[in-house]
Order: sequence, then structure tokens, then C-alpha cells
Amino acid sequence: GQSLEQPSEVTAVEGAIVQINCTYQTSGFYGLSWYQQHDGGAPTFLSYNALDGLEETGRFSSFLSRSDSYGYLLLQELQMKDSASYFCAVNFDKDSNYQLIWGAGTKLIIKP
Amino acid sequence: SAVISQKPSRDICQRGTSLTIQCQVDSQVTMMFWYRQQPGQSLTLIATANQGSEATYESGFVIDKFPISRPNLTFSTLTVSNMSPEDSSIYLCSVGRDRDTEAFFGQGTRLTVV
Repeated sequence: GQSLEQPSEVTAVEGAIVQINCTYQTSGFYGLSWYQQHDGGAPTFLSYNALDGLEETGRFSSFLSRSDSYGYLLLQELQMKDSASYFCAVNFDKDSNYQLIWGAGTKLIIKP
Repeated sequence: SAVISQKPSRDICQRGTSLTIQCQVDSQVTMMFWYRQQPGQSLTLIATANQGSEATYESGFVIDKFPISRPNLTFSTLTVSNMSPEDSSIYLCSVGRDRDTEAFFGQGTRLTVV
């Protein structure tokens, strides 16, 4: 079956760096995405990795190792507004189309 | 990018009734997805709706309970039929252009069944 694992909660202090890990087991894997969701809001896209390595977008970076079925999201210079839930999601092929399968989400708590 | 207008944003409904949620996209997209999300939980895919074909439902979801229409490349509806309190949840529509690009979401419909 398809599954993803990520920590349920991570706590960090403002200005620090935090890493949220994601391991997955899927068939038809195409890429790993990361989304941010604030309470009461919709998920918004952060990053996508189809190939091994690091993708950097401002304060956020994402890493993928396809051989290890592992990825992470790195958030630097944490700000209070980064308090949210972060989801990893696998893009995979299904029936000539594609779908996303979602991790359970990691709640990031930032303390001043 | 894609901007999605989802309506209604919230509703409180009586059990046994039905609610239709609308999702309007500002550009043509091939694939539309309908999700359900309990507060604090992950997203669960209900079905994939492609224009010109029947929606494809995930395990645990059936067309009689969640009929979907996809009349064109910019619009879709999801109906939650014969509602019970267990259907109380947030329903989200989402679109994607292909497997290598981001998914966009409507703001969600918060449904409470009483």
C-alpha cells in the first residue's frame, strides 16, 4: 500500500532552524511535495522534488533521496507566522493520471 | 497558477438533507480532486474528476453518497447526500495541471451536520 510518515509535532524557537522529515512507501512514485496549512486555511504549496537533492526557495528548502524513500523540509530563520501544519505528499502515477497521497501532517509550534 | 472559488465556505445542515459544493477555477484544468479533511487531520481523497468522464472514487467513497459533476474544464460540484453527523468535515477542491506542478486548493467548505 501507499503510506507516508512524518512527525506529528515539532517545537522550535523563533529564529532557529527546524527540519521536518518524511519517509514514504509508494508505487509509481513521481515526486515529493510539501504544503503548508494554517488553521482554518487551505493547503498552500511550498516545494517539490522529483530528483535527488536539495531545492531551495527562500527560507525553505526541501531534500529528496529516492533510494532511501526519504525527504525533508528545512525551515530557516523561523518566524511566528511559520506556525502551521506541514504536509508531505507523494505525487504518484495512477491509471495514466496522477494523484497525491498525503502524510498525516506535522504541527510546527514556534515559541518566542 | 490557478485561483479557485469554492462555495459555500461553511454550512450547517440537517441530517438527511444534501449539500452541493461548487468549485470554480479561473482557468482550464484537466484534473480536479475532491478531498475531505477533519480538523487537525490529513487530507483524504474522495474522488478525481476529469472533464468528459465519470469521476473515479477512492475506496470508502461511492457515487450515490458523493455524486460529482464536471461539466467543463473550469467547474465541478460535489454533493454530499443524505447527510449524517459523520459527514461533518471540511471539504476541499483542488486542481493540478500535471504531476510535476503544484496543486491549488479552494478555501474549503466547513460542513456541520446536526
